[in-house]
Amino acid sequence: EPEVTQTPSHQVTQMGQEVILRCVPISNHLYFYWYRQILGQKVEFLVSFYNNEISEKSEIFDDQFSVERPDGSNFTLKIRSTKLEDSAMYFCASSGATGGTGELFFGEGSRLTVL
Amino acid sequence: GQSLEQPSEVTAVEGAIVQINCTYQTSGFYGLSWYQQHDGGAPTFLSYNALDGLEETGRFSSFLSRSDSYGYLLLQELQMKDSASYFCAVRDGTGGFKTIFGAGTRLFVKA
Repeated sequence: EPEVTQTPSHQVTQMGQEVILRCVPISNHLYFYWYRQILGQKVEFLVSFYNNEISEKSEIFDDQFSVERPDGSNFTLKIRSTKLEDSAMYFCASSGATGGTGELFFGEGSRLTVL
Repeated sequence: GQSLEQPSEVTAVEGAIVQINCTYQTSGFYGLSWYQQHDGGAPTFLSYNALDGLEETGRFSSFLSRSDSYGYLLLQELQMKDSASYFCAVRDGTGGFKTIFGAGTRLFVKA
């Protein structure tokens, strides 16, 4: 069964360092998303991406964050200068269409720990 | 903006029925989804309602009333493996594409 894959599964970094989280969405999907979840809390929307550009972004997604689809398969989230409060699980998701159920297919997440 | 309200936790016994309610406020409503998340896992899609009424998928059913901005997830014949967090989520139909999640309801199923 097709699935969304994310790497790394866990990354530890020092405050102020740049981090890139990688995702391979399901191959025929057109809509891509990043969410984050601080331990025990809600799943928070960061950004949606369609047709090689950002479609929507939340207030969390400030200038420290960027997304890119560098090739036909990868979708990346970059955090330029990490802060302690960026420590969270970051989930990538993809969907085939906005019509129908709009079901989001999530990857297993990348846990980011900022020290 | 969007906001969703759901109970923080619910406890029920194996074999019972439990209902998890969700009320929402959104500027552009497309539909209400439900996701399940086990500890340490990713959210997985359970159901979706775009129109008023009940949708049934096996032991799980979901209901929506658009006029009341209200929905619920009904889990029947509870099993221990149903212990998880359940999130209602609103698809926002204004502007671009985003699904906003509620804070989640932690379900504890006891033997």
